[in-house]
Amino acid sequence: GDSVTQMEGPVTLSEEAFLTINCTYTATGYPSLFWYVQYPGEGLQLLLKATKADDKGSNKGFEATYRKETTSFHLEKGSVQVSDSAVYFCALSDQGTNAGKSTFGDGTTLTVKP
Amino acid sequence: ETGVTQTPRHLVMGMTNKKSLKCEQHLGHNAMYWYKQSAKKPLELMFVYNFKEQTENNSVPSRFSPECPNSSHLFLHLHTLQPEDSALYLCASSPSGRGNTGELFFGEGSRLTVL
Repeated sequence: GDSVTQMEGPVTLSEEAFLTINCTYTATGYPSLFWYVQYPGEGLQLLLKATKADDKGSNKGFEATYRKETTSFHLEKGSVQVSDSAVYFCALSDQGTNAGKSTFGDGTTLTVKP
Repeated sequence: ETGVTQTPRHLVMGMTNKKSLKCEQHLGHNAMYWYKQSAKKPLELMFVYNFKEQTENNSVPSRFSPECPNSSHLFLHLHTLQPEDSALYLCASSPSGRGNTGELFFGEGSRLTVL
């Protein structure tokens, strides 16, 4: 079956540091890839997505590139802020008529200190 | 209202109680989901509904009973729960059919504590 493996946390960084959270996946076919973010006391919300190989998703300074050759979708941000402190989930899903249940990684907790 | 709304946000219940969680989406989606998020565990898919029909039951104990009266509403009926059922229950929705990228739209969750 499909699976997602993401970097274990917690990750603690100082403000303005560079962030990388690694994510690799195994899947049949050509899934969509996602990063979701969960702020304290809230549900998950989509951060960015990519639907085909070499696509780059970006939002709020975060980026991730769909790498089919390495089955990876690493999340990066050049300069983190205290407000980026949250739990980040990498996920994949089938597309089209087979889209539905998603497979999530275990989540990586990020804490950014001033 | 827009998006996915869950009520109540917090619920405390005894093991003999019966309660229900409610989810409502205003996005025009035809698929709805229940997920369970426990501390230090991965997100667990519980149920999937497409066009009001249940299409996935991920071996969930019968003390959890879902109901989907229409594509906009989803309930999770709870009875005789155990303390280990304490968790954040997340509802999500998505479009169905062609062109669906698989993106999920989540509510803010219902935090359940079973005493």
